Amino acid sequence: GAGVSQSPSNKVTEKGKDVELRCDPISGHTALYWYRQRLGQGLEFLIYFQGNSAPDKSGLPSDRFSAERTGESVSTLTIQRTQQEDSAVYLCASSLAEGSEQYFGPGTRLTVT
Amino acid sequence: QKEVEQNSGPLSVPEGAIASLNCTYSDRGSQSFFWYRQYSGKSPELIMFIYSNGDKEDGRFTAQLNKASQYVSLLIRDSQPSDSATYLCAVRGSNYKLTFGKGTLLTVNP
Repeated sequence: GAGVSQSPSNKVTEKGKDVELRCDPISGHTALYWYRQRLGQGLEFLIYFQGNSAPDKSGLPSDRFSAERTGESVSTLTIQRTQQEDSAVYLCASSLAEGSEQYFGPGTRLTVT
Repeated sequence: QKEVEQNSGPLSVPEGAIASLNCTYSDRGSQSFFWYRQYSGKSPELIMFIYSNGDKEDGRFTAQLNKASQYVSLLIRDSQPSDSATYLCAVRGSNYKLTFGKGTLLTVNP
């Protein structure tokens, strides 16, 4: 079946612009996660959605970052007034249920110039 | 702060050898343990998970879990150059959240 998909695969933007990243989870997966991975670094948790529960936003690095998810479908991660330090690969993952194994999408490579 | 520690490597082994990757974790309430493989420029790919103490084998891969010592390891038998990648250990703690280690870079030399 189809895996997790993300778009765009690459995004180059100017400092100060807003960007929106999209994630389509595996059908039927109730949990959805966003991570950030800077070059040569580990995964940094950003935000977690589980069904209709309030999301866990504890990993968002600043109020310039926000995310939405409608039900158990698509999620969007928005970064406002981008900064150069936002340059990274943004990875989305989904899992069938809370705490079960996560499957990752291909990521969006964001470059802020 | 719940932590997952891995040796960053690089770990270099010859083709055909056994590669041993180790991971320790701090949260004694951790229940589920995962190994991901990440090729350069690609996203992490799940290769193994283990929930119970002991060994779990899948092809050339064996995951080993020792909850008393709070470590989990991954053995790769008959290592191949295509196994060269970064291996991420992930631990699900007493909550839902997976905590990832920073990964160990494995290089298998032909």
